[in-house]
Amino acid sequence: KAGVTQTPRYLIKTRGQQVTLSCSPISGHRSVSWYQQTPGQGLQFLFEYFSETQRNKGNFPGRFSGRQFSNSRSEMNVSTLELGDSALYLCASSLGTGDTYEQYFGPGTRLTVT
Amino acid sequence: GNSVTQMEGPVTLSEEAFLTINCTYTATGYPSLFWYVQYPGEGLQLLLKATKADDKGSNKGFEATYRKETTSFHLEKGSVQVSDSAVYFCALMGYGNNRLAFGKGNQVVVIP
Repeated sequence: KAGVTQTPRYLIKTRGQQVTLSCSPISGHRSVSWYQQTPGQGLQFLFEYFSETQRNKGNFPGRFSGRQFSNSRSEMNVSTLELGDSALYLCASSLGTGDTYEQYFGPGTRLTVT
Repeated sequence: GNSVTQMEGPVTLSEEAFLTINCTYTATGYPSLFWYVQYPGEGLQLLLKATKADDKGSNKGFEATYRKETTSFHLEKGSVQVSDSAVYFCALMGYGNNRLAFGKGNQVVVIP
């Protein structure tokens, strides 16, 4: 079974621009979660989508948004980029139902904002 | 809210040494606990998990026991290899809540 894929793997953007990241979950998984990883803040939860609906949301500003499509693929958008948005963005997929939601991570998208 | 605390600083040890990484947590209810590993330039890989008190998760020689009385989930391996060099993250998920809270991670360096 193919793993979680994320595109692109690397991005360089300028302050003020916007960016869209994509995540394709493991086949059969209906939940996609997004995390931001930085050296200073570590791994922080952004949001989770399940069956095209946002089910959980972390403490990030409204510049960070996402969506999920009917095939469970998800996109994350960051508008008006700031230098502090430079990070590794990880998506994770899971079944999203049951007692324990094991999450499986993709390789991440490395975003650099200059 | 839910939080995870890992011991500070990198861990450097020789091949075949015993590894312990401490992890304690704060959570309401009955969370599930996880250890993830991250190799350079890669995403996170699920190493092991435990879903209730006294459960022991194990994989690839690594073990961790869910201790509710001490709110801990320490990771151990009896004999490390150079290939175990990576960053290890402890994480928890509240019951029925598909949202992981991570510790800061520990860089493990195994010297031949």
